[in-house]
Order: sequence, then C-alpha cells, then structure tokens
Amino acid sequence: DIQMTQSPSSLSASVGDRVTITCQASQDISNYLNWYQQKPGKAPKLLIYDASNLETGVPSRFSGSGSGTDFTFTISSLQPEDIATYYCQQYDNLPPTFGQGTKLEIK
Amino acid sequence: EVQLVESGGGLVQPGGSLRLSCAASGFTFSSYWMHWVRQAPGKGLVWVSRINSDGSSTSYADSVKGRFTISRDNAKNTLYLQMNSLRAEDTAVYYCARDPATVTPLNWFDPWGQGTLVTVSS
Repeated sequence: DIQMTQSPSSLSASVGDRVTITCQASQDISNYLNWYQQKPGKAPKLLIYDASNLETGVPSRFSGSGSGTDFTFTISSLQPEDIATYYCQQYDNLPPTFGQGTKLEIK
Repeated sequence: EVQLVESGGGLVQPGGSLRLSCAASGFTFSSYWMHWVRQAPGKGLVWVSRINSDGSSTSYADSVKGRFTISRDNAKNTLYLQMNSLRAEDTAVYYCARDPATVTPLNWFDPWGQGTLVTVSS
C-alpha cells in the first residue's frame, strides 16, 4: 500500500494567516492526489482534486500543488469557518489511502 | 441535489453481523462506482470496499476481505455492506461515497454520506 505522510499533525494559526500543509507519498503518484476537509461531527468534503484543481463551489483561498511524491495544500487567508481536519488521499493505486490528517485550530 | 444517507449501524457483539445501507438520490445511481470508507473514533479515514455500477466487480481492503460483502440494488438506488465476524477493531463510523467515474473507477470520493456508527463490543 502507498503510505501518505502529512505534516504537521496539528496546527494553530490566527485568522488571516497563510496556512500550509504538506503531504508526502511513499512512491510516485503523479498528480493523483486529493484534499478533503472534515469539520467536527461531519463527513469529509472534497476540496481539491488532481492535486491542484479546486472543486466547484470551494472558496479560492484554498489551493493545492505538487506532483510525484510531494504535495502542498494552502489556505491563503485563514477564516474561522476553516477550522477542521484536513486529509490528503492518493488514488494512484488500490487501495486508496489517506494521510493521518492535520487538525487546524484558531489561535 | 446529490444525497447519500446511511443507516443500519448500532451496537453488536464480537463475532456478530450487521448490514449497512446507503440510500442514494439526486443522481443516476446505477451509473456510478460506489465505495465504503470508515473512520474509527478519533482516528483517520480508511477505505473499505468498492463496487462497480452493475455490481459485477468488487474490491476490499485486506482487513475486511472474507468478512465483509459489498452489494447494490440499482432498482432501489441502495448500496449495502454486509459485515460478518465483526471485531472490536471494526468499530467506526462507516461512510458511503460516490466515485466520480462511471466506467473506470477513479477511487476518490465525492460526495459522502453523513455516516453511520458501528460499535463492536460485548
């Protein structure tokens, strides 16, 4: 199975801050990577697909980049409603696998 | 509006069985691959199983292979997960999710249902 390693595991930032989360795959996955947001008690929601494409309806402050083994997820200006846990997920190989998650809190 | 609604979760003893259902609406259910993904309390997301549009092709995570069976009834727009020989480590919220693909699966998930909690305990 492909291992996905996210960092950091948790992050505290202020409203308006630029926030960056990284995800590293254990092997080359091209751009077959997605980012999901999960708010407490809710189901995950797709934000970014194919590493850098914004899902319809998702605010433009969210973005993704990377290819191969190293990927980055960025919130350009943190908003209070962005408090959530964020997961990367590879879909290059079966089984699809997720990173362990990054819990984002407001400072 | 695309909607997925899971049901069937609950408390079951180790070694017991449970069948989860996922009712789909707002899209042509019979055209899409579908998945089950689970999340143990306070833990991350783990893919469980997938099924193709007509039910003829299925795949499973190693941790559930031989114990869980995914199926679907396209006439009822419903996805199922039959879970047998349940273990404590199967305790989780189980989500159904749609694959964006209709022919070759992409193996990603959009949208997700709200989830149903399965607790395996004596």
